[in-house]
Amino acid sequence: DTVMTQSPATLSVSPGETATLSCRASQTVGSNLAWFQQRPGQAPRLLIYAISARASGIPARFSGSGSGTEFTLTIRSLQSEDVAVYYCQQYNKYNKWPTFGHGTKVEIK
Amino acid sequence: EVQLLESGGGLVQPGGSLRLSCAASGFTFSTYVMGWARQAPGKGLEWVSSIISSGGSTKYTDSVEGRFTITRDNSKNTLYLQMNSLRVEDTAVYYCARVLSGTYDVGDYWGQGAQVTVSS
Repeated sequence: DTVMTQSPATLSVSPGETATLSCRASQTVGSNLAWFQQRPGQAPRLLIYAISARASGIPARFSGSGSGTEFTLTIRSLQSEDVAVYYCQQYNKYNKWPTFGHGTKVEIK
Repeated sequence: EVQLLESGGGLVQPGGSLRLSCAASGFTFSTYVMGWARQAPGKGLEWVSSIISSGGSTKYTDSVEGRFTITRDNSKNTLYLQMNSLRVEDTAVYYCARVLSGTYDVGDYWGQGAQVTVSS
């Protein structure tokens, strides 16, 4: 299976600042990369798919970038409601099975 | 508004069975691929199974293949997960998810989850 490695494990950011989260795949995933937000006690929420396409209702301050095996989720103007664990997921059909990273926890500094 | 409501979770002994249901509303259920994902206590996410809109094709992660069965009833807008031969390591919150169009395993809407605990 494709291993997804996220860094850092925890990120502390001041309100209004920018959070930059990284995700690395053990093999190429093409453009088949998604990001999810999971707030405490809630279900996951799709933020980004196909590396950079925002899901329905997602604010423009969330953006995705990258290619091949290296990907980034950027959260601009961080707000208290952004406190959550963020997961990346690869879903390349040639990589046997979709897999998630272990998550990055975003905290307010 | 898309809504997914899971039910059927609970405590079961190792080797036992459980059936989860997911009642869907707010979208045309019969036209979407649907799936189940899970999250073990304090752990990350794992995609477990998917089923195409007609129910004619399914897929499973290796660890549940042969033990779990995903089905759907499009007349009732309901998704199911039959779980047999349950193991301690199947303990998790199980989420029902609508799958993003054009993919087979990216959940674009998720239910609130059903707790499944396998313990003696």
